[in-house]
Amino acid sequence: NAGVTQTPKFRILKIGQSMTLQCTQDMNHNYMYWYRQDPGMGLKLIYYSVGAGITDKGEVPNGYNVSRSTTEDFPLRLELAAPSQTSVYFCASSYSQVGRSSGNTIYFGEGSWLTVV
Amino acid sequence: KNEVEQSPQNLTAQEGEFITINCSYSVGISALHWLQQHPGGGIVSLFMLSSGKKKHGRLIATINIQEKHSSLHITASHPRDSAVYICAALHSGGGADGLTFGKGTHLIIQP
Repeated sequence: NAGVTQTPKFRILKIGQSMTLQCTQDMNHNYMYWYRQDPGMGLKLIYYSVGAGITDKGEVPNGYNVSRSTTEDFPLRLELAAPSQTSVYFCASSYSQVGRSSGNTIYFGEGSWLTVV
Repeated sequence: KNEVEQSPQNLTAQEGEFITINCSYSVGISALHWLQQHPGGGIVSLFMLSSGKKKHGRLIATINIQEKHSSLHITASHPRDSAVYICAALHSGGGADGLTFGKGTHLIIQP
């Protein structure tokens, strides 16, 4: 089973360039999330979506954009990359709100390592 | 705002030892997750619990709601248990954005 798939795994960007991190899930989950993980820090929520056509900002949304045109896909767009966006990015999904019911857990992709130079 | 603290930050132990990782949070929660991050980076959910104790193989997770504290135990630890263990708390008033993550505990089990 594929689960949550995100690409690319590794990318080096120059300052000012733009790129899109792709995320797709095949579990028919309604909720999808983008997190970033910086060294020595906990995961921080960038954006999330509770269903197709619905997105909302998380804790650290500046410099990013998302869209959710289908249930399966939730791409993260970086506009005008900055060194502060050097991080590991994780896409995740859950059927409904995580923790609201027994067995509703969260599934993560393998991570995308992004370096902005 | 919920704060989630984990201890220890780093732990090195010998194969076979009993391991305990602690997680404390500051406000009421509706659920707590324990996650495992492999050396290659992938994150896997181990447990989700809102009360009592859960067991899966050699892993045991407990939570004390009154004390705002959870522990993850590993019995008969093995080098393949080496990973970063992360707790994440879903605060009671939270929406879909309601998970707060700890910084993780880096566990190394030496043969």
